[in-house]
Amino acid sequence: DTAVSQTPKYLVTQMGNDKSIKCEQNLGHDTMYWYKQDSKKFLKIMFSYNNKELIINETVPNRFSPKSPDKAHLNLHINSLELGDSAVYFCASSHRGQGVGGYTFGSGTRLTVV
Amino acid sequence: DAKTTQPNSMESNEEEPVHLPCNHSTISGTDYIHWYRQLPSQGPEYVIHGLTSNVNNRMASLAIAEDRKSSTLILHRATLRDAAVYYCILSETGTASKLTFGTGTRLQVTL
Repeated sequence: DTAVSQTPKYLVTQMGNDKSIKCEQNLGHDTMYWYKQDSKKFLKIMFSYNNKELIINETVPNRFSPKSPDKAHLNLHINSLELGDSAVYFCASSHRGQGVGGYTFGSGTRLTVV
Repeated sequence: DAKTTQPNSMESNEEEPVHLPCNHSTISGTDYIHWYRQLPSQGPEYVIHGLTSNVNNRMASLAIAEDRKSSTLILHRATLRDAAVYYCILSETGTASKLTFGTGTRLQVTL
């Protein structure tokens, strides 16, 4: 069983479209995250949710809206996609306080905006 | 988040030990030292973490300097599958804890 699973794995879409990426974890973690890795391979945190509550919201355009229906799911919806949104998006989960067992990352969603 | 400094790249021969250094001179007393690695086309993978004492697990060992201003990740016998980017990260525990990734060390392993 995949611990942190993201769908889709690849997403190619046109500028201006709206798209969603889904993430689910079966580790019983209470905190989930979205990270973005750009073409230069820098990994940056975007959002963090703990038990469905938003606790970290880095400087991310309002076009990005995370939604956590329960603590095992954290989805990312992106409106009006732009070329600069092309990147690999990683979902991750951990126990709150993160000292225990580390973060587990998904395998990523490669988003290409054309 | 406190910053870390790592060499951009290192090379190792297969089946030899690898010592990956990390400097974190501005570390605070509550910062944990984390190591993650990212294999090509995969998400980051947890390797090990520690606070003050040296740590061992099935993947690696973490040696932490007495003043905590530096640490070393030790892979006891490098294999080709260990070729990856290794990230040394400082992070506090707490409600808004997060991992802030730097540029890491790209480890090449050769036969």
